Amino acid sequence: NAGVMQNPRHLVRRRGQEARLRCSPMKGHSHVYWYRQLPEEGLKFMVYLQKENIIDESGMPKERFSAEFPKEGPSILRIQQVVRGDSAAYFCASSPPNREEQYFGPGTRLTVT
Amino acid sequence: QQQVKQSPQSLIVQKGGISIINCAYENTAFDYFPWYQQFPGKGPALLIAIRPDVSEKKEGRFTISFNKSAKQFSLHIMDSQPGDSATYFCAASRNRDDKIIFGKGTRLHILP
Repeated sequence: NAGVMQNPRHLVRRRGQEARLRCSPMKGHSHVYWYRQLPEEGLKFMVYLQKENIIDESGMPKERFSAEFPKEGPSILRIQQVVRGDSAAYFCASSPPNREEQYFGPGTRLTVT
Repeated sequence: QQQVKQSPQSLIVQKGGISIINCAYENTAFDYFPWYQQFPGKGPALLIAIRPDVSEKKEGRFTISFNKSAKQFSLHIMDSQPGDSATYFCAASRNRDDKIIFGKGTRLHILP
């Protein structure tokens, strides 16, 4: 039973480019959460999605950031026109419906040069 | 506003000793309190969790103590081992299908 999968594991982008981060939840999990972790910091919630719906995007910056979880395929976190401050580890977590437990993927480490 | 406060920031414990990490929360609507363990370069792994209707939960060498009136909870690692060296995060959420609020983490180092 595969865990949460994220790719790429490492991503380097120049300022102004776009970054696309992918997350495949665990089998049977229909809820996906994205978190961001800055060096030496805890994880900060960004967005919570169910299939084809954004449930809570209160932690996601209003500009340049977007997320989707289509009916088919992985969830995507998209960052347009990246800046140095976007450099961080981005983690995806998934959970089954009606459960509190969230299981995290290995993360994507984004470096903006 | 930091909703979950964690201490200490770092902790060094001798092998075989007890590691204790403390957390305090503000929002009384929280009703699920997980602990996560994270090794360098890895994602956080769910270690143990508790709900406020119990005061203690034990799984192997890991125990959560929960004080609802004080709005505090702690993680105790008994017989600490070098393999326990990692960063530990306490966290809280309000209910099912809700975001998790994390503390800032405790970097634990167990001396061999």
